[in-house]
Amino acid sequence: QKEVEQNSGPLSVPEGAIASLNCTYSDRGSQSFFWYRQYSGKSPELIMSIYSNGDKEDGRFTAQLNKASQYVSLLIRDSQPSDSATYLCAVKGVGSWGKLQFGAGTQVVVTP
Amino acid sequence: GAVVSQHPSWVICKSGTSVKIECRSLDFQATTMFWYRQFPKQSLMLMATSNEGSKATYEQGVEKDKFLINHASLTLSTLTVTSAHPEDSSFYICSARDRVSYEQYFGPGTRLTVT
Repeated sequence: QKEVEQNSGPLSVPEGAIASLNCTYSDRGSQSFFWYRQYSGKSPELIMSIYSNGDKEDGRFTAQLNKASQYVSLLIRDSQPSDSATYLCAVKGVGSWGKLQFGAGTQVVVTP
Repeated sequence: GAVVSQHPSWVICKSGTSVKIECRSLDFQATTMFWYRQFPKQSLMLMATSNEGSKATYEQGVEKDKFLINHASLTLSTLTVTSAHPEDSSFYICSARDRVSYEQYFGPGTRLTVT
C-alpha cells in the first residue's frame, strides 16, 4: 500500500468551476500536510499547508483535513487555465525528521 | 520570502565526468535540505536528507559514493554526481526546510543531461 495516494487524473475542469482533489494517507500519526503545484518541467511550489482538522482557505484555494478518515483535500474555486498543473499531496509523518511522503500527483486540466 | 536557488539550472556533461549542483536558501536558514530526482512523467523521488554539519542520510537504493552530498552551512548544500552516466540524466531538485516554520520550499531544479 502506498503511503500517500492520489488519483492521477487527468482531472478536466471547465474554466470558472471548482476543482476538487483528494489525497489519502496511511500513517495515522501524521501531523503536517501540504499541497504543492508543479507545472510541467518546473519544480513544485508550495500552495497550502494544513495541520488541524477542518478547512483552511487561502484565496481561491481551500484545504480540508480529516485526520480520523486520514484524508486531505484541495478545492480550487473559479478555476483558471493557469491552474492547469500537477498537484502533489505531501504528508510529514511522525518522527520522519521532516521527510515528506509525496503522492504521485493529480494532473488538472482547466479547459476554457 | 522563502526563496531557494539552484545552480546550475541545466548542465550537459560527458559520461564519466562529475557534476556539482548547489542549493541555497536565500532568505532563511535551513538546518535540513532534501535532494530529489524526478524522471519525466514520474513523481519526486527522495534521494537523501542533508543536515547541516553532519553526514547525509540516503534513501534505500541510492548510492552514497555516487551522489556526494555536503551541507556545510545553514544556507548551502551541494550534490555532486560522480562518474555520471546517461542513466543519471534527470531533473534534480533540492528543497530546504525553514528552521523556524518547518515548511519546505523547493529550488527551481537542475536538469542534468549526460551524453
